[in-house]
Amino acid sequence: QVQLQQWGAGLLKPSETLSLTCAVYGGSFSAYYWSWIRQPPGKGLEWIGEINHSGSTNYNPSLKSRATISVDTSKNQFSLRLTSVTAADTAVYYCARGGGTDMIIGYWGQGTLVTVSS
Amino acid sequence: QSGLTQPPSASGSPGQSVTISCTGTSSDVGGYNYVSWYQQHPGKAPKLMIYEVTKRPSGVPDRFSGSKSGNTASLTVSGLQAEDEADYYCSSYAGSNNLLFGGGTKLTVL
Repeated sequence: QVQLQQWGAGLLKPSETLSLTCAVYGGSFSAYYWSWIRQPPGKGLEWIGEINHSGSTNYNPSLKSRATISVDTSKNQFSLRLTSVTAADTAVYYCARGGGTDMIIGYWGQGTLVTVSS
Repeated sequence: QSGLTQPPSASGSPGQSVTISCTGTSSDVGGYNYVSWYQQHPGKAPKLMIYEVTKRPSGVPDRFSGSKSGNTASLTVSGLQAEDEADYYCSSYAGSNNLLFGGGTKLTVL
């Protein structure tokens, strides 16, 4: 049984840095890519990027300049940092298992609502 | 790259079939057999329903099926049930280690 549990600050001011972490329980951490995906309120899904156990990353070109995904294999955790946030970054952020070439997102975290407001 | 195009809404009566389309380009949907479909109920995380165009994960009813023709993928839900009412999103590998999602389709069971 694979479970993803995520946490991080839910309220940010413009220009601050978003920081979220996701812990993975069950399954093989090293066999998969791990992704971050977001969903603005009432809108669709947007892939932010991915990382594997060795730290290899890929990002959505539209967010590449502001997003950093990192991994801590000793804890089976991976994290997202998004710098210089604006109101447009307000969304539910999900961590998920999947990525690589097939981009099959098979397991999702519970989601964290991050609101950017002054 | 733009997202994939889905109709904003679809509907059908219980027992009927409904098909949701997902249109991309030759650089994403048309270029790879890595199209997935996700079901999302309000306030919940998405759930994988179809992967690699036609494959169903364990536990997904065979009422859900996927297909692709050219740059358009489709999800068909047969024998509609009340619990199928949800938002549905398609996704496709878009090359260069990038993933695109569709805008989502709200499926209403009448």
